[in-house]
Amino acid sequence: GENVEQHPSTLSVQEGDSAVIKCTYSDSASNYFPWYKQELGKRPQLIIDIRSNVGEKKDQRIAVTLNKTAKHFSLHITETQPEDSAVYFCAAPQGRDSWGKFQFGAGTQVVVTP
Amino acid sequence: GAVVSQHPSRVICKSGTSVKIECRSLDFQATTMFWYRQFPKKSLMLMATSNEGSKATYEQGVEKDKFLINHASLTLSTLTVTSAHPEDSSFYICSAIAAYNSPLHFGNGTRLTVT
Repeated sequence: GENVEQHPSTLSVQEGDSAVIKCTYSDSASNYFPWYKQELGKRPQLIIDIRSNVGEKKDQRIAVTLNKTAKHFSLHITETQPEDSAVYFCAAPQGRDSWGKFQFGAGTQVVVTP
Repeated sequence: GAVVSQHPSRVICKSGTSVKIECRSLDFQATTMFWYRQFPKKSLMLMATSNEGSKATYEQGVEKDKFLINHASLTLSTLTVTSAHPEDSSFYICSAIAAYNSPLHFGNGTRLTVT
């Protein structure tokens, strides 16, 4: 099955700086990679996703890059703001026979200090 | 679109009692829903896959007789924690997909505390 590793586990950044979180996956057939943001006590919310037919996707201050050869994908947050403080999870499909079953990374606690 | 609602958001129960958690897809039909458990400062641990009209598929190590899942309609899945014990205290979250190849959307979660 799919194995997803996420680094770093915690990330402190100064407001206005950039934050980068990296995930590696093991199954070369995986073709969809979402990123979720979870604030304390709340639901994970999809913030961006990427499919394997593209190498990069941007949405305002958030971008995701994918390197299929190296089997890793990264979340980039530019011009960080205090409201970006949360736990971020990456994910990859856990199997080829069904959709929706994902393996999640361990999470990254991002703290943006003013 | 793709709103998933979960109820209750918080529940406190006594040891030995059972608790039912509901997960509803509000604006789409979900043939498949998923139930997760999340410990403090930990990742999402998949417990089971809930399929409408058929038995749930449980992940290894999850007791199916303890965590009963029912997916009676295309918009509702329920998780019943039977004979709850303090170690069952956790944050339980459901998720659903609207269609094949579409993103996964989560419910708001249920904080279960067993005293």
